[in-house]
Amino acid sequence: AQSVTQLDSHVSVSEGTPVLLRCNYSSSYSPSLFWYVQHPNKGLQLLLKYTSAATLVKGINGFEAEFKKSETSFHLTKPSAHMSDAAEYFCVVRSRLNEGNMLTFGGGTRLMVKP
Amino acid sequence: NAGVTQTPKFRVLKTGQSMTLLCAQDMNHEYMYWYRQDPGMGLRLIHYSVGEGTTAKGEVPDGYNVSRLKKQNFLLGLESAAPSQTSVYFCASSKGGLNTEAFFGQGTRLTVV
Repeated sequence: AQSVTQLDSHVSVSEGTPVLLRCNYSSSYSPSLFWYVQHPNKGLQLLLKYTSAATLVKGINGFEAEFKKSETSFHLTKPSAHMSDAAEYFCVVRSRLNEGNMLTFGGGTRLMVKP
Repeated sequence: NAGVTQTPKFRVLKTGQSMTLLCAQDMNHEYMYWYRQDPGMGLRLIHYSVGEGTTAKGEVPDGYNVSRLKKQNFLLGLESAAPSQTSVYFCASSKGGLNTEAFFGQGTRLTVV
């Protein structure tokens, strides 16, 4: 079975400082991995995805993530936080376990950005 | 391009009432999904469909039914609502390939009193 663990339920940073949101996954097959962002009372928007082409993936709004197979991790980073980054972030894994290719979500990390 | 549209956006039900949530996508996607979002639990899959006329159970299917009569629409039904079904419901669609992302609707906030 596949699973995703987001190691921090809440992260607080000051504006202009780096962001690190941690994600570990478990999958019996070579997975695809995604990060989604959800702003308050909004739907989910794709930030970036890993599909085995390159281990360092760049996404929108200056975010990037590195796939580390040996550590089964896919941490999300950003060099400098902006107030508009305050949102909930979800790490998601997808592997070919069944015909549904289901997405499995982590519990989410709420990012707070202080001025 | 509207993407994925959910109706209604908000609803309050009394225990025992029934309702249907509608999801429509205009991207010609084969796969559609219904998730529920509860605090601290991420999104959990209720039911999904891999094509017109097909449905399958996800992680938390009890108390829900679905139908996919048309490729663009995926309906989620609650036959007899319970307070435990108070949640935010998200519909998503995708091409279905392993490397393809899902596109989400704006959500439906359902309260069962």
